[in-house]
Amino acid sequence: NAGVMQNPRHLVRRRGQEARLRCSPMKGHSHVYWYRQLPEEGLKFMVYLQKENIIDESGMPKERFSAEFPKEGPSILRIQQVVRGDSAAYFCASSFFKGTATVGELFFGEGSRLTVL
Amino acid sequence: QQQVKQSPQSLIVQKGGISIINCAYENTAFDYFPWYQQFPGKGPALLIAIRPDVSEKKEGRFTISFNKSAKQFSLHIMDSQPGDSATYFCAASSQGGSEKLVFGKGMKLTVNP
Repeated sequence: NAGVMQNPRHLVRRRGQEARLRCSPMKGHSHVYWYRQLPEEGLKFMVYLQKENIIDESGMPKERFSAEFPKEGPSILRIQQVVRGDSAAYFCASSFFKGTATVGELFFGEGSRLTVL
Repeated sequence: QQQVKQSPQSLIVQKGGISIINCAYENTAFDYFPWYQQFPGKGPALLIAIRPDVSEKKEGRFTISFNKSAKQFSLHIMDSQPGDSATYFCAASSQGGSEKLVFGKGMKLTVNP
């Protein structure tokens, strides 16, 4: 009974490279969320997706960041041309959909820690 | 502008003591207030949550107190144990669930044996 699976757990990139972070939600969960955590900070909402659809991306930087949740496969958070300020822990969470309202509890993965040199 | 302010930033208590973490919010549209616990190197895990229609919710040693007029809520950990040592985050959302949580900056709790 796997929880939310994220990979890689640690990723090192040089400035200007691309980072791809993957997230497989819990079984039966149709909604995925990405949050970013900077050192000594709380988590900041980035994007909320369901299969093949972005529900809310109001927390995503306008440039270089994109996210998808295809019909098959994991959700992917993509950061192009990384800069040092992108160094952070990126957490994925999932929930299941119940009626017209998302159920309250989010289940978080263990995070992907990106270091940009 | 920080929508959810958490205090203190860190806390040290002795085993068996009471740990109290406070949060204040600004957005009166918030209607869901969860607390998350995070251990080093792990993702946050939901501890307990409350909605504004109740003033208190208790689950085991954990109690949330909610004051709607003051726009404040707090987490009380009774009989604190060394295993409770972790970072605790309060959060809030305005959509009835967890779609877009706004987190506080977190409080690092250390419980000494």
